[in-house]
Amino acid sequence: AQSVTQLDSQVPVFEEAPVELRCNYSSSVSVYLFWYVQYPNQGLQLLLKYLSGSTLVKGINGFEAEFNKSQTSFHLRKPSVHISDTAEYFCAVVGGNFNKFYFGSGTKLNVKP
Amino acid sequence: DVKVTQSSRYLVKRTGEKVFLECVQDMDHENMFWYRQDPGLGLRLIYFSYDVKMKEKGDIPEGYSVSREKKERFSLILESASTNQTSMYLCASRGTKGPAYEQYFGPGTRLTVT
Repeated sequence: AQSVTQLDSQVPVFEEAPVELRCNYSSSVSVYLFWYVQYPNQGLQLLLKYLSGSTLVKGINGFEAEFNKSQTSFHLRKPSVHISDTAEYFCAVVGGNFNKFYFGSGTKLNVKP
Repeated sequence: DVKVTQSSRYLVKRTGEKVFLECVQDMDHENMFWYRQDPGLGLRLIYFSYDVKMKEKGDIPEGYSVSREKKERFSLILESASTNQTSMYLCASRGTKGPAYEQYFGPGTRLTVT
């Protein structure tokens, strides 16, 4: 079975500072990993995904994530955040049954001026 | 662009009422999903459908049923709404060509049961 842990429920950060949102997963099979973002009162939007190949994945809005198989992690990073990045971020894993996505509990990023 | 629409953004219903949440996608996707989102719990899968008239239970199907009569439409039904079903409900759709095809989400329906 798969599971996803997002240890930080909230991350406050000042504008233009770097940020890292942590995601750890557990799985007994090969996995595919995703980061989604949810802006207030909206659905989820895909930020980036890891399927295979390079472990460093670049996504939209300047975000990137690194797949680390030995540490079973897929942390999301951005070198300089903007006020508009304030949102909730969800890590998800899918493996085996491709229709079964397992989502983490989410991390709320609060960017302050 | 894939578009997933949900019939209502906000809904208020009384305990015991029958509630229908509708979801429509325009990308001819085979797979459609209903999730429930609660603070601190992330998204939990209620039901999904991989074809017309086909459905599978997710992690929390109790108190819910679904209907998929047409490929583009997937309905979530609360037979007798209860206050513990107050939540945000998200619909998603996905194509069938392996894991590369991520799920596309609708804007959500915030349901309040009083």
